[in-house]
Amino acid sequence: GQSLEQPSEVTAVEGAIVQINCTYQTSGFYGLSWYQQHDGGAPTFLSYNGLDGLEETGRFSSFLSRSDSYGYLLLQELQMKDSASYFCAVLQGGKLIFGQGTELSVKP
Amino acid sequence: KAGVTQTPRYLIKTRGQQVTLSCSPISGHRSVSWYQQTPGQGLQFLFEYFSETQRNKGNFPGRFSGRQFSNSRSEMNVSTLELGDSALYLCASSSVAGAAWEQFFGPGTRLTVL
Repeated sequence: GQSLEQPSEVTAVEGAIVQINCTYQTSGFYGLSWYQQHDGGAPTFLSYNGLDGLEETGRFSSFLSRSDSYGYLLLQELQMKDSASYFCAVLQGGKLIFGQGTELSVKP
Repeated sequence: KAGVTQTPRYLIKTRGQQVTLSCSPISGHRSVSWYQQTPGQGLQFLFEYFSETQRNKGNFPGRFSGRQFSNSRSEMNVSTLELGDSALYLCASSSVAGAAWEQFFGPGTRLTVL
């Protein structure tokens, strides 16, 4: 089976840095993906970590530690438009399994 | 390149009815996955089709079914609707088989069952 744990809500101020954690338990692991979903919108792919370490894409970075079954998404220089839900996901048996999502609120 | 499109965007049905939702993937993508999103259960995998074959299926009852056509367009059908089927149904496409890391989602169909 598989399970992913992430905080349900995070609040931060504009310009700050926020980290959204994800811990997972899976039988077989092939990497961790992150998706962003604005309210009422479609999820959009942000990043993927197949190996340990940090992947950087602009203001967003994602980290993976397979030995700790842990990853995080780091958002820098927060903007109001970053207010959204963020999901971590793992591939399990040909299915993409999502965490419950973290709702990020960015305040002015 | 056009994105993933889903029709209809909104649907209201009553218990016991059936519904068919449609998804057109990005041109060239042959894999289409379907997800159900609800506030309580989050994003849950329904099934994936690749080259007209169902490759994977999630833990949903047999009332949920799907198919894929030769042009990669996909439909999902829910029969004997229940109140709990009210959800946002999302489809996603990718260029590879087996639910890729990077999937491109459509805007979803919001189904309300009364």
